Amino acid sequence: DAGVIQSPRHEVTEMGQEVTLRCKPISGHDYLFWYRQTMMRGLELLIYFNNNVPIDDSGMPEDRFSAKMPNASFSTLKIQPSEPRDSAVYFCASSKRAGGNNEQFFGPGTRLTVL
Amino acid sequence: GENVEQHPSTLSVQEGDSAVIKCTYSDSASNYFPWYKQELGKRPQLIIDIRSNVGEKKDQRIAVTLNKTAKHFSLHITETQPEDSAVYFCAASLGGSQGNLIFGKGTKLSVKP
Repeated sequence: DAGVIQSPRHEVTEMGQEVTLRCKPISGHDYLFWYRQTMMRGLELLIYFNNNVPIDDSGMPEDRFSAKMPNASFSTLKIQPSEPRDSAVYFCASSKRAGGNNEQFFGPGTRLTVL
Repeated sequence: GENVEQHPSTLSVQEGDSAVIKCTYSDSASNYFPWYKQELGKRPQLIIDIRSNVGEKKDQRIAVTLNKTAKHFSLHITETQPEDSAVYFCAASLGGSQGNLIFGKGTKLSVKP
């Protein structure tokens, strides 16, 4: 298995533009997590899905952020409109089961820079 | 909700010395405590985890201890090597069918040769 796949690996955009981040979880994993990592705030959970259904989106910063999981092998995180404070590394992770001593496997991350 | 505090934020040791990183959690219902290692520019990766029914777990030079009463757990690395240099994150989870991981802020460990 190739592991969790994320694209793009780097994204540079201008304030106000729409940004779409993509994730392909490990086949057979039921849970998918989106995290944001910054120096100031560390690793923050934004939203997670179980069997393609959003379970907890309380970490989504505001309405500019949205996430979808149309099928078991694909998820997107969209920011519209983007702002400089959204600059961060965004990780997608998947696991067979949430918490419950099942390891979360992280993707390589997308480094987002909003100018 | 759950809150995880991690200390210290930075730690510098000489090669061969031991390193200890400590975390506390707030929700007594949490029952799963993993530790992740993140090398510079790379993704976090699980290095060891412990469940609430276990007090200690070892894997070669790495060990984790858990004190449920005090609600704290620690990572111990013995005989540190330069390749141990990384950021280490602790996390806590309610486990089961729910329970996302709540991460600590991380500890940047530097091992000097």
